[in-house]
Amino acid sequence: GAVVSQHPSWVICKSGTSVKIECRSLDFQATTMFWYRQFPKQSLMLMATSNEGSKATYEQGVEKDKFLINHASLTLSTLTVTSAHPEDSSFYICSAPDRGKHKSWNTEAFFGQGTRLTVV
Amino acid sequence: QKEVEQNSGPLSVPEGAIASLNCTYSDRGSQSFFWYRQYSGKSPELIMSIYSNGDKEDGRFTAQLNKASQYVSLLIRDSQPSDSATYLCAVNPTGIQGAQKLVFGQGTRLTINP
Repeated sequence: GAVVSQHPSWVICKSGTSVKIECRSLDFQATTMFWYRQFPKQSLMLMATSNEGSKATYEQGVEKDKFLINHASLTLSTLTVTSAHPEDSSFYICSAPDRGKHKSWNTEAFFGQGTRLTVV
Repeated sequence: QKEVEQNSGPLSVPEGAIASLNCTYSDRGSQSFFWYRQYSGKSPELIMSIYSNGDKEDGRFTAQLNKASQYVSLLIRDSQPSDSATYLCAVNPTGIQGAQKLVFGQGTRLTINP
């Protein structure tokens, strides 16, 4: 199947600093990528849709000035958590759709490994 | 009201038995339905996708979809301890087939007891 690589796997940062998370599609091109956040024992919540070459689309309640998304190429989207606070500590996961190994007309979502962010 | 609902569990099943996981969704226009398995601290892994009413089988896994009842289920036959994980039901509510924007249920924690 398609491979999505996310980096870093975990990061600890001080309150008030910014953290950048990268999401790469390794063997396919992704004009769209999705960023999710998952708090402990909760499900994945979509934060935003990253669109290559244009502005990201944010879900209701997600601050676009705090969670900066850049999708400058067909294989890379970045999420920057600005002025991080302890309440931003979470598991951030990106996904990208691809037609998968069967190259059917249906796309599937392939997830990165996730980034565990801890703000202290 | 949540768009995708699952029983959070935990659901305990003896090894070798059938595990049955259920999910309901609210948007009648939804076309694409997915089951993901998530181990603790890891990202979700796609188990099954289903787009049409009826059953879809893949190895020990069977997904069932009933659009009239807005209901999706996952059956795991011959359950193994390695199946112990949280199972996430995901729905694409946009009416466009394929896994674009997904809405996830809260997940059902499944434990297979040896």
